[in-house]
Amino acid sequence: DAKTTQPTSMDCAEGRAANLPCNHSTISGNEYVYWYRQIHSQGPQYIIHGLKNNETNEMASLIITEDRKSSTLILPHATLRDTAVYYCIVRVASGSARQLTFGSGTQLTVLP
Amino acid sequence: DVKVTQSSRYLVKRTGEKVFLECVQDMDHENMFWYRQDPGLGLRLIYFSYDVKMKEKGDIPEGYSVSREKKERFSLILESASTNQTSMYLCASSLGSAGSLLAFFGQGTRLTVV
Repeated sequence: DAKTTQPTSMDCAEGRAANLPCNHSTISGNEYVYWYRQIHSQGPQYIIHGLKNNETNEMASLIITEDRKSSTLILPHATLRDTAVYYCIVRVASGSARQLTFGSGTQLTVLP
Repeated sequence: DVKVTQSSRYLVKRTGEKVFLECVQDMDHENMFWYRQDPGLGLRLIYFSYDVKMKEKGDIPEGYSVSREKKERFSLILESASTNQTSMYLCASSLGSAGSLLAFFGQGTRLTVV
């Protein structure tokens, strides 16, 4: 599996865009990029995923570089409720279901 | 919305007790998982199931067993609870292999063994 690297922590002002980077330089052609977040004392929550095209949903946008070696999760207007640990996961989507593994992620703190 | 419901939010049990953690999902998902989460160790997979009556060991199955008699329900059993099983337990479900990484998690059960 491709290894991912994320910053340990980031701050963002409320109402501003939060841009969370993830490096996955060894990603292979059939591996997807998934993002989850975990708000304190809750279970992880799926946010978005993509293969090579940029993706957007009601929660966030995912920008994947053309070489696919890195990606950025964008929360367009961060709120205090977006304070959470954000996990970037790279996996083959059709692989074994057991292999949803979470690294240490990025602690995003949204400041008032 | 997919809903994964864990039977208890907080639980306190005594050492040696048999403990049942229940998880129910309402989206007809094939896969169900049990994780535990501890500070500094992240989420670790205990067991998972890809079909009724099927189960597979995860990374840390020792001291645990599971039961999946119905598709929507996945139970985690601590045969004889010990203090090192004090943890946050998370249940998750996902579709079959094509969507296996799009998982939905329950709110977690914080178990304390005294």
